[in-house]
Amino acid sequence: DTGVSQNPRHKITKRGQNVTFRCDPISEHNRLYWYRQTLGQGPEFLTYFQNEAQLEKSRLLSDRFSAERPKGSFSTLEIQRTEQGDSAMYLCASRTPGTSGGELFFGEGSRLTVL
Amino acid sequence: AQSVTQLGSHVSVSEGALVLLRCNYSSSVPPYLFWYVQYPNQGLQLLLKYTSAATLVKGINGFEAEFKKSETSFHLTKPSAHMSDAAEYFCAVSGRGSNYKLTFGKGTLLTVNP
Repeated sequence: DTGVSQNPRHKITKRGQNVTFRCDPISEHNRLYWYRQTLGQGPEFLTYFQNEAQLEKSRLLSDRFSAERPKGSFSTLEIQRTEQGDSAMYLCASRTPGTSGGELFFGEGSRLTVL
Repeated sequence: AQSVTQLGSHVSVSEGALVLLRCNYSSSVPPYLFWYVQYPNQGLQLLLKYTSAATLVKGINGFEAEFKKSETSFHLTKPSAHMSDAAEYFCAVSGRGSNYKLTFGKGTLLTVNP
C-alpha cells in the first residue's frame, strides 16, 4: 500500500494559464474523489468517480474545470484559464469498493498559486 | 443533505490538559461520522470514525469521540494533550447512499502550549 499519490505538489502559474494535476489512488480502490481546500476552510467536494465513470460533480466545478479517469486508475484534474480565485489546495482521495462507512484515504495534495 | 458545524475555529490548551473539540452534525439519514487531522502542508489523516456500531469510538494517538444522537454531536476528546497534537482537526459527515462523499466542517486549529 503506497498510499494516494498526487503530482505536482506545488504549482505556481500566471492568471490565464492552464494547469493539470494528477492523482494515483491506492491500487485496489475503485472510487476516487477530488476536493478543494482554501485557506482557513475545510475541504469542499468537487467530483467523484467510480471506476472510469464520473458520477457526481459539484456546482463548484465550473466549466473551466474538467476531471477524467480514463482507465479507472489514475485521474487528472485540469483547470483552464486559471483565475486568482482558483488558488487552493487540491486534494485527491480514494476508498475501497463496497465498504459501508469506509473512510477516504487522502493524498498530500497539490497546492496551486495563481499570480 | 448533510452538514457539519465545528464550534471554535481555534482551541488552545496546555500540554497535559484535556483536549475537547466540538462537532455538531445535521443529516437527513443515519450518518457516518469522521474526525481527520491535518498537519501543515499535508493531506488528511483519519483519526477515528463512527459507523453505527459502538457510540464511543477510540482512535489513534489516544483520541476518542462519542456519538450522541439526541444532541447531534460527535465531540473529539483526548485526556492529556501532547505537543505533537498541534494541528488542524476536521469533523466530517457522510450520508448513506450519497456516494459516501464526505462533507467537512471548517476545521479547528489546536495549539498546545508548553
